[in-house]
Amino acid sequence: DSGVTQTPKHLITATGQRVTLRCSPRSGDLSVYWYQQSLDQGLQFLIQYYNGEERAKGNILERFSAQQFPDLHSELNLSSLELGDSALYFCASSGQGSGIHNEQFFGPGTRLTVL
Amino acid sequence: GENVEQHPSTLSVQEGDSAVIKCTYSDSASNYFPWYKQELGKRPQLIIDIRSNVGEKKDQRIAVTLNKTAKHFSLHITETQPEDSAVYFCAARIQGQNFVFGPGTRLSVLP
Repeated sequence: DSGVTQTPKHLITATGQRVTLRCSPRSGDLSVYWYQQSLDQGLQFLIQYYNGEERAKGNILERFSAQQFPDLHSELNLSSLELGDSALYFCASSGQGSGIHNEQFFGPGTRLTVL
Repeated sequence: GENVEQHPSTLSVQEGDSAVIKCTYSDSASNYFPWYKQELGKRPQLIIDIRSNVGEKKDQRIAVTLNKTAKHFSLHITETQPEDSAVYFCAARIQGQNFVFGPGTRLSVLP
């Protein structure tokens, strides 16, 4: 167990719908990252937050948005869902300190299926 | 921005043999290089990492080497076992920035 939690574990929805994925980082970690992994593909970086602020952005679609709350949990919102959005969505967290490289640990993922 | 390449994309070895996976990165400012193992349907798990002030790190059957001049780093697994079969991802990170992952290597250890 990495200490990173994600809910829900599975999500099945229809095209055009909107869903929210939730992530709680490891205790004390300030950075949260979101990744998308389609079937048999690599890890596509979506977005990073550090202590509530957006730190880096990857190939995140305009239909997707995220935020990190004061208690450091994060939510990834996916709207106007398409069949191609079906994937595993991972959240990861890493520790604090701009001068320190801290390990990144992944949550168990949310498997999204769009029908 | 940073770009990470990883080779080979697939690798099959006999049980007991060694496996080597190589990654190259483009940005000389990268100074942290983790390796992850991902089993089917599971989360990527950190198995070993190396920082730029170190040339080699070992943990039991796995080791990582870093060549900063050539901008490449490698994962070495010795005495492979069937449970080593998985997809392995390398990554590179510039301090304070996001992690950039390689495309992955599917390792199969044949009994």
